[in-house]
Amino acid sequence: DAGVTQSPTHLIKTRGQHVTLRCSPISGHKSVSWYQQVLGQGPQFIFQYYEKEERGRGNFPDRFSARQFPNYSSELNVNALLLGDSALYLCASSLTTYSGNTIYFGEGSWLTVV
Amino acid sequence: AQRVTQPEKLLSVFKGAPVELKCNYSYSGSPELFWYVQYSRQRLQLLLRHISRESIKGFTADLNKGETSFHLKKPFAQEEDSAMYYCALGLGGGADGLTFGKGTHLIIQP
Repeated sequence: DAGVTQSPTHLIKTRGQHVTLRCSPISGHKSVSWYQQVLGQGPQFIFQYYEKEERGRGNFPDRFSARQFPNYSSELNVNALLLGDSALYLCASSLTTYSGNTIYFGEGSWLTVV
Repeated sequence: AQRVTQPEKLLSVFKGAPVELKCNYSYSGSPELFWYVQYSRQRLQLLLRHISRESIKGFTADLNKGETSFHLKKPFAQEEDSAMYYCALGLGGGADGLTFGKGTHLIIQP
């Protein structure tokens, strides 16, 4: 059984550009969450989607947006990239939004903004 | 706002010695606490959660609401325990995601 898959694994962007990161949850999981992990820090919650609707949002600017598709895969979009957006972006999936469900993480997408 | 504090960035112990990774949290309600682990070149994965009160790989953690702590313990460390450990707090409803600490890098010396 495939785990949470993310693409691309690594990418380099220039300041001001836009980036799209993609995530496929574990089969049967309807909830997808996104986290940003800056070097030396723990993951920081960005969004949670469930049944294609945003159910939770962390303290991130409006440059960050996401969506979930009918097949429960998800995209994270970041506009007007800043140097400080350089980080590992983690996608996680779970059966529902209930925190008692185990959350499974992908390997992440490394974003470098230059 | 909720916060999770892991005071040690790095903890080095010898094989066979006891291990305790500290985690303190601040939240006025009833939190759900978790420990996540990331082994070298592997993805972040759940180690244990306080509601299940189970022991995983010899690790246990007890939620102490009076001291707002959820320390992770193991009586006898093994070399394969070397990893990055993150304490995380959930708010029950789940939609607000998890709040993670900064992590503790545990190194088990032979």
